[in-house]
Order: sequence, then structure tokens, then C-alpha cells
Amino acid sequence: AQSVTQLDSQVPVFEEAPVELRCNYSSSVSVYLFWYVQYPNQGLQLLLKYLSGSTLVKGINGFEAEFNKSQTSFHLRKPSVHISDTAEYFCAVRGSGGYNKLIFGAGTRLAVHP
Amino acid sequence: DAGITQSPRHKVTETGTPVTLRCHQTENHRYMYWYRQDPGHGLRLIHYSYGVKDTDKGEVSDGYSVSRSKTEDFLLTLESATSSQTSVYFCAISEGDRGDSPLHFGNGTRLTVT
Repeated sequence: AQSVTQLDSQVPVFEEAPVELRCNYSSSVSVYLFWYVQYPNQGLQLLLKYLSGSTLVKGINGFEAEFNKSQTSFHLRKPSVHISDTAEYFCAVRGSGGYNKLIFGAGTRLAVHP
Repeated sequence: DAGITQSPRHKVTETGTPVTLRCHQTENHRYMYWYRQDPGHGLRLIHYSYGVKDTDKGEVSDGYSVSRSKTEDFLLTLESATSSQTSVYFCAISEGDRGDSPLHFGNGTRLTVT
């Protein structure tokens, strides 16, 4: 079975500062990894995904994530955040073989302050 | 927006009453999902469908049933609502069942059971 742990429930940061949101997963099979963002009163929007190939994945809004198989991590980063990045971010994992459900972490609330 | 409409967007109901939530998609995707979102739990899968009249349980299916009589509609029913079912419910769709198929989410239904 797969599981996802997001290590920080809340991350406060000042505008234009860098940020890292941490995600670790556990799985006995190869996986695909995703980051979703949820703005207030909205659904989830796909930010980026790792399927295969380069371990550094670039997504929308200037975010990127790095897949580290040895550490079973998929941390999300942005070099300079904006007020508009304030949202909740979810890491998710899905097994690569056959049909597998998408399993979500508990979420990290990013609060960007002026 | 991936062509997913959830209705109603908000609902308040009393304990013991039946409630049906509707998800309508215009993408003609085969796979549809119902998730619930609760603080500290992220999103948890309730039920999913892999075709008309083909459904299966997720990890938190107790107290819920689903139906899919048309490709575009996926209904979630709470036969007898309880306070523990107060939550935000999200519908999602995906084109395929492979692990690399991302899910696209609706804007959610906020359900309060009093």
C-alpha cells in the first residue's frame, strides 16, 4: 500500500522568499507523483507531476519539484513566492502498474505574508 | 476548469435525512471519483467508477452509495446523513486508469449535517 506524508501542516513565509514544501512517500512499487494546489473555495488544480525521466520537474506558476528515489521524497520548491501563492498544497502518489488509486497527503497550508 | 460541475455547491441537512450530490462532466472521461476532504486528512477516496454501471469502493465508503447510469453523471448518496459526514466533497475525473493519468477536480460541495 502507498502512503504520503507531508511534513509540515503550515508554512509561513514572506513575499519574495524561497519556499520548500516537503513530501515523503512509501510504496513497494514504482510510483507516479503529483502536486496539486487548492486556492480558497476551489477545487484542486494539478501543479506538476513526475512520471519518469528527469528527476527535476517543472510545473505551473514557477514551481518545481525534485524526485529522490533513495530518500522517497518529492519536495516542492519555488525560489521566490508571491502573495497569490497562498493556498493549500497536496502531494499525491499513485502506483505505476495496473489500476491504482491516487493517495493524498494531509496537505500543507502555505501562507505568504507581505 | 476541466468541464466538471458539482451540485449543489452548498447544502445543510439534518441527521438521518438522505442526501444526493451530483457530478456532471462534459469531457466524456471514463473514470470518475468521489473524494471527501477533511482537515488533517487531505482527500480520501469514497467511491469510484470505471464506466457506466461499473463502480467500486474506496477507503471510506461506509455510509455512502453511488450510481452511474450515464457517462457524464456520477451521483453520491448518503442514505441517512450523520454529523461525521459533514465535509467538503469533491468529484474528479480522469481519462485513463493508468497511474500517469492525472485527475481533474470539480469545485466541491460543502455539506453540513446538523
